[in-house]
Amino acid sequence: GEDVEQSLFLSVREGDSSVINCTYTDSSSTYLYWYKQEPGAGLQLLTYIFSNMDMKQDQRLTVLLNKKDKHLSLRIADTQTGDSAIYFCAESPNSNSGYALNFGKGTSLLVTP
Amino acid sequence: DTGVSQNPRHKITKRGQNVTFRCDPISEHNRLYWYRQTLGQGPEFLTYFQNEAQLEKSRLLSDRFSAERPKGSFSTLEIQRTEQGDSAMYLCASSLGSSWQTQYFGPGTRLLVL
Repeated sequence: GEDVEQSLFLSVREGDSSVINCTYTDSSSTYLYWYKQEPGAGLQLLTYIFSNMDMKQDQRLTVLLNKKDKHLSLRIADTQTGDSAIYFCAESPNSNSGYALNFGKGTSLLVTP
Repeated sequence: DTGVSQNPRHKITKRGQNVTFRCDPISEHNRLYWYRQTLGQGPEFLTYFQNEAQLEKSRLLSDRFSAERPKGSFSTLEIQRTEQGDSAMYLCASSLGSSWQTQYFGPGTRLLVL
């Protein structure tokens, strides 16, 4: 199947910006997502971007999409210790009827004081 | 709490036993999805319902797995003759047809097969 790739680990200091990167392979993807998962919990939808956009900003979160390179990034401004979690990039391939999500393996973000 | 709920939250069973999990989606969400997440991996799609109809099944869903959504509301996922490889977090998500792109996930059911 199509792969969504993410770096596995990122460590930043509190107050700095975090940038989590993702590459995907399905050029037909209509939406691309960022989900957050805290230990032992389900997934929380952070934000998503439609494939005809190149940027979306929502408070401390900025999503950049480079459709030509199939590259998605999530920037978290003023990162806090509460942002420590696993962040999943996901695509919604246009090739299936139910728009089931195709996830990467997740990036563990550690925010140190 | 009007989010997606799943029960039980944890299940420990012996190999060969059958288990059943329940998912209650957000009210009026007509789409319901099951995913499986193993340690260190992202969720993987298992199956999808629109109302009571099961419209899509992944190759991951072996013959030992069955899912139902009899009245188009809650759903159950049954695993028969469990194997150690079935140990995982089983996640349910729901979405509203008019906002299909937004899937809301439940807290998951963590299964451990001994």
